[in-house]
Amino acid sequence: QVHLEESGGGVVQPGGSLRLSCAASGFTFSNFGMHWVRQAPGKGLEWLSFKEFDESNPFYADSVKGRFTISRDNSKNMLYLQMNSLRAEDAAVYYCARRGPAVAGTWYFDYWGQGTLVTVSS
Amino acid sequence: QTVVTQEPSFSVSPGETVTLTCGLSSGSVSTNYYPSWYQQTPGQAPRTLIYSTNSRSSGVPDRFSGSILGNKAALTITGAQADDESDYYCVLYMGSGISVFGGGTKLTVL
Repeated sequence: QVHLEESGGGVVQPGGSLRLSCAASGFTFSNFGMHWVRQAPGKGLEWLSFKEFDESNPFYADSVKGRFTISRDNSKNMLYLQMNSLRAEDAAVYYCARRGPAVAGTWYFDYWGQGTLVTVSS
Repeated sequence: QTVVTQEPSFSVSPGETVTLTCGLSSGSVSTNYYPSWYQQTPGQAPRTLIYSTNSRSSGVPDRFSGSILGNKAALTITGAQADDESDYYCVLYMGSGISVFGGGTKLTVL
């Protein structure tokens, strides 16, 4: 069965960096696009970034463009999110999510990890 | 900046039907936005309910349905149950790889 597991969260100072990882299993990772989504404490979900299964360019929300970088290693079934210049407002639970099968007329998240918590504090 | 709008909260009695909506701050939602819906209970990861306007995700009960109502996407729960009490989020696809979440609706069943 499909399983996504995030790791790498923790406490970081404002201005610091952190790299999140998402380990994928139970499916052919190299066939699926992947997203990062976050949820600040007590707030709603926010889409952050998408990376297709191939070498095409990634996409970012304006809130993280220029600071966060999504990448993937298909040989290791891993998705990453490099987060730089972290701010207090970046504190959140970060989820990786799989894009549903790339069938024409679909665009959605079909599987989610359990999330990893990032705290930004001095 | 496009804002996806949802009712902040909604209340329904057990067994009744409730319809939550997902709109745009400017313009109308159509199937071209591939609206999808997610359910989330506190402390848990989201669960996918509906995608591509009205397709149910695997294992989702048929009391959950999606549609376009007027200029908005809609999620209808027919015969609400106590364990439907959750936060519900819609997502619209804006093109060019960009997804936008609505602010979420907190559904109370009482």
